[in-house]
Amino acid sequence: DTAVSQTPKYLVTQMGNDKSIKCEQNLGHDTMYWYKQDSKKFLKIMFSYNNKELIINETVPNRFSPKSPDKAHLNLHINSLELGDSAVYFCASSQDLAPDTQYFGPGTRLTVL
Amino acid sequence: TQLLEQSPQFLSIQEGENLTVYCNSSSVFSSLQWYRQEPGEGPVLLVTVVTGGEVKKLKRLTFQFGDARKDSSLHITAAQPGDTGLYLCAGDPANDYKLSFGAGTTVTVRA
Repeated sequence: DTAVSQTPKYLVTQMGNDKSIKCEQNLGHDTMYWYKQDSKKFLKIMFSYNNKELIINETVPNRFSPKSPDKAHLNLHINSLELGDSAVYFCASSQDLAPDTQYFGPGTRLTVL
Repeated sequence: TQLLEQSPQFLSIQEGENLTVYCNSSSVFSSLQWYRQEPGEGPVLLVTVVTGGEVKKLKRLTFQFGDARKDSSLHITAAQPGDTGLYLCAGDPANDYKLSFGAGTTVTVRA
């Protein structure tokens, strides 16, 4: 069974479109995250949720809107996609708040044309 | 400005050689984590070091936490092709529930 899963694995879209990435964890963890990894492999926190409550919003443009319908899911919706949004987006979860061990999903490679 | 500086950025060695990766900061950490990320996958935790001066071993990997808890190193003995990957150190220096990652060291072990 996959611990943290994300869909889709690849996403190719045009500038200006709106897209969503879904994430689910079956570890029973209380905290979920979205990270962005740029072309230089630098991994940076975007958002974290604990028990469905937003804990961290790390100066991310408001075109990015996370939604946590329940503790096991954290989705990421992106409006008006820009070229600079191209990156790999990772969902992660942890039992407690960071720096508790992060369990990462396989990533979603977003390419904006 | 990155809170965690990793060096070197790239490392390519022959199978059987040893290597060391460094993670340095001017901040004090309550703990530091090391992750390995393989192509097309998410990072996976290797170890967490908590006590200053602590040394942890994981088979051929040895992790050390500096006495002042500002730096850490990862040493791999007799590297194998399976050790190839991106090695990331991470910590939360401000204790604000945000994990900061270093830029990573890409290790390639040639057979």
